[in-house]
Amino acid sequence: KQEVTQIPAALSVPEGENLVLNCSFTDSAIYNLQWFRQDPGKGLTSLLLIQSSQREQTSGRLNASLDKSSGRSTLYIAASQPGDSATYLCAVRPLVTTDSWGKLQFGAGTQVVVTP
Amino acid sequence: DGGITQSPKYLFRKEGQNVTLSCEQNLNHDAMYWYRQDPGQGLRLIYYSQIVNDFQKGDIAEGYSVSREKKESFPLTVTSAQKNPTAFYLCASRDRVKNTEAFFGQGTRLTVV
Repeated sequence: KQEVTQIPAALSVPEGENLVLNCSFTDSAIYNLQWFRQDPGKGLTSLLLIQSSQREQTSGRLNASLDKSSGRSTLYIAASQPGDSATYLCAVRPLVTTDSWGKLQFGAGTQVVVTP
Repeated sequence: DGGITQSPKYLFRKEGQNVTLSCEQNLNHDAMYWYRQDPGQGLRLIYYSQIVNDFQKGDIAEGYSVSREKKESFPLTVTSAQKNPTAFYLCASRDRVKNTEAFFGQGTRLTVV
């Protein structure tokens, strides 16, 4: 069974510092990996989606890498701002034949606080 | 505005009562999903539906029931059989035919009192 782990569970950085968030997974047979942002008491907002054939994806200050063979993905947020404070979750979509999206496996998330 | 709406935002339930959480989408998505989120844990799939009048159990379906009578609606009932229902519940939908990723609702926080 696929297990998705995010370490650390919480992280606090001063404004302007770069953020590095880690996600590891046990089964490399994945369709894609997705990073989400969740504000307190809110739903999930998709940040970046990396297909299994890709090594990285970029959007503005965000960059996500994927090393499928080692079961790792890293989300980099450059020049962090207080507005980046949130919980960041990664989710792995397995490579199966029937509705793999229904079998998405989530990590527990990393709670990030960016202090002014 | 297209989107996915969950209601209510907060819900309180007494022991032994059934409660129903609403999830509506106007995105014309065929697939809809219910997740449960507990503190310090990832989201866990309760039920999902790929088309109207059809739904499948997820990883933690016991104590829950759903219906999918209309494409835009996928209500979740938390029954009295669910032993620990206090949690944050998230609904999501996606276009399965176009194979898009999902949109999430804003969630319902259920508390048993």
